[in-house]
Amino acid sequence: GNSVTQMEGPVTLSEEAFLTINCTYTATGYPSLFWYVQYPGEGLQLLLKATKADDKGSNKGFEATYRKETTSFHLEKGSVQVSDSAVYFCALSEEGGSYIPTFGRGTSLIVHP
Amino acid sequence: NAGVMQNPRHLVRRRGQEARLRCSPMKGHSHVYWYRQLPEEGLKFMVYLQKENIIDESGMPKERFSAEFPKEGPSILRIQQVVRGDSAAYFCASSPSRAPNGEQYFGPGTRLTVT
Repeated sequence: GNSVTQMEGPVTLSEEAFLTINCTYTATGYPSLFWYVQYPGEGLQLLLKATKADDKGSNKGFEATYRKETTSFHLEKGSVQVSDSAVYFCALSEEGGSYIPTFGRGTSLIVHP
Repeated sequence: NAGVMQNPRHLVRRRGQEARLRCSPMKGHSHVYWYRQLPEEGLKFMVYLQKENIIDESGMPKERFSAEFPKEGPSILRIQQVVRGDSAAYFCASSPSRAPNGEQYFGPGTRLTVT
């Protein structure tokens, strides 16, 4: 079956540091890949997505590239802010079946001033 | 342009009571998904519904849990005879279609506490 593996958190950084959150996946077909962000006390919001190999999704300074050869979709940001503190979820959705997305366990990011 | 709405935002129930969680999808969305998030864990899929139909309930516990999405009105997740282990955040998401590159839009969640 499908699965998504994210690096364990929390990831603790100082403001303006470089961020990488690793995500690898297992899928039988050609999935679409997503990063969602959950701020404290809120629901998940779509951050970015990529629908095919070598696509780069980007939003709000975050970006991730769909790497089929390494089955990865790592999230990066060049300079994090305190307001980026949240939990980040990697997910995939595959063609066929009921398209139920598979989510990773989430990675907590804490950014200190 | 209202987003996905869930109510109540917080719900406290004693063991043995019933919990009813409501979800109104975004306008124009006819696909609803329910997820449960336990502390320190990720999102676990529970059930996927379209109007008047349950499409996939593979993540639903076999007993005490049920879901519906009637022709009119919100989707409802019902938990009968709640136990402490049901305490969690329950999220609803909606989408306009089943397309594989169609992202989901999440509500703010209902945080259920069973005392």
